Amino acid sequence: SSELTQDPAVSVSLGQTVRITCQGDSLRSYDASWYQQKPGQAPVLVVFGKNNRPSGIPDRFSGSSSGNTASLTITGAQAEDEADYYCNSRDISGNLLDVVFGGGTKLTVL
Amino acid sequence: QVQLQQWGAGLLKPSETLSLTCAVYGGSFSGYYWSWIRQPPGKGLEWIGEINHSGSTKYNPSLKSRVTISVDTSKNQFSLKLSSVTAADTAVYYCARGDWVVPAALFRRRGVTWFDSWGQGTLVTVSS
Repeated sequence: SSELTQDPAVSVSLGQTVRITCQGDSLRSYDASWYQQKPGQAPVLVVFGKNNRPSGIPDRFSGSSSGNTASLTITGAQAEDEADYYCNSRDISGNLLDVVFGGGTKLTVL
Repeated sequence: QVQLQQWGAGLLKPSETLSLTCAVYGGSFSGYYWSWIRQPPGKGLEWIGEINHSGSTKYNPSLKSRVTISVDTSKNQFSLKLSSVTAADTAVYYCARGDWVVPAALFRRRGVTWFDSWGQGTLVTVSS
């Protein structure tokens, strides 16, 4: 299967910019989607496709991609951005096209 | 604004069958991929499988032998059954609405898949 790899934990100072990355072979042909999950809550889609944000998501969240790596950038991180972040894509190995998720990154805002 | 509301038994014994249903309110049922996703306590998200409005399914290979996802378009509902559960199946189970753009090299179009609406989650505990 095609895996997606994320750093387990990242920290950022309040108001600074942070980049959360996701690596995997499928990202050479798929853009990642990104989800924010706070404790006890369902995940929330924050970025999908070539940097699209659902209605209500602040524009400090942006997405990008290069080679086999996708990135979620938070420009001017706020305290409320402290959460777990997951990327997802499709598994392109063997034409399965099953959904895959990264292992998640815990973001701490200092 | 689409809303997903899910329900089902929260406590099971080993070897029993997990059964959850998700109702979709306020949006079209066709044209989307309806998924079940789970999250063991303290761990990450795991995709279980998906179904479209016509009943075509895809399952996570690691769970495929035990999973059945079905759809009732007359009620805008879809359901999950997971047989022979063990303690390893203890998790919060989510239903979610998915969408999918397939890559097309001819048009230099990259693919993308995303889940824009989620159910509230159901904690399913498997314990004897």
